[in-house]
Amino acid sequence: DGGITQSPKYLFRKEGQNVTLSCEQNLNHDAMYWYRQDPGQGLRLIYYSQIVNDFQKGDIAEGYSVSREKKESFPLTVTSAQKNPTAFYLCASRLPSGGFTGELFFGEGSRLTVL
Amino acid sequence: AQRVTQPEKLLSVFKGAPVELKCNYSYSGSPELFWYVQYSRQRLQLLLRHISRESIKGFTADLNKGETSFHLKKPFAQEEDSAMYYCALISAQKLVFGQGTRLTINP
Repeated sequence: DGGITQSPKYLFRKEGQNVTLSCEQNLNHDAMYWYRQDPGQGLRLIYYSQIVNDFQKGDIAEGYSVSREKKESFPLTVTSAQKNPTAFYLCASRLPSGGFTGELFFGEGSRLTVL
Repeated sequence: AQRVTQPEKLLSVFKGAPVELKCNYSYSGSPELFWYVQYSRQRLQLLLRHISRESIKGFTADLNKGETSFHLKKPFAQEEDSAMYYCALISAQKLVFGQGTRLTINP
């Protein structure tokens, strides 16, 4: 079954703890993205990676970190430095064509709640 | 800066009525615009792209460069159209999304 898998679906964290959200894809896509979805604010880009071992900050990267050691995996760590981490996080990937056609394939999302 | 604005957070219409979800953008150059949709308990997915000039599920969207708009329209709303809709544009290999509009179709 091809697609993008995010885990866990729900996660609770105490303040001051780091937490890592998993994103795995078996679509052979090169580029992967992390977005944060908040009511009334839409989707905001946290980090993205065009290729293995390379990634760039998005619009709201502060308090987050990523790695891209494998093509299939793009985990996101929400650190204790993120001031308002409670949110719904979406991972996405796109076809490995040279130009971006605009179609992203999204995972089901991970909902993080900080207690 | 590239920006997408959806002025309506919520939109509610009756079944069979016309629907228009507004989207305005700011972009230097020729924009590539898209509408994404998220139905209840489903993944966010591409609905349509302006370059295709196609109708998907009865929805169309026309790029108006003079008004910098890309409104999504459907002449007769159906209950299954209830969803969250996002307008987006491509900027430097990334998608920039608007704030989203939650559309509710009342029976």
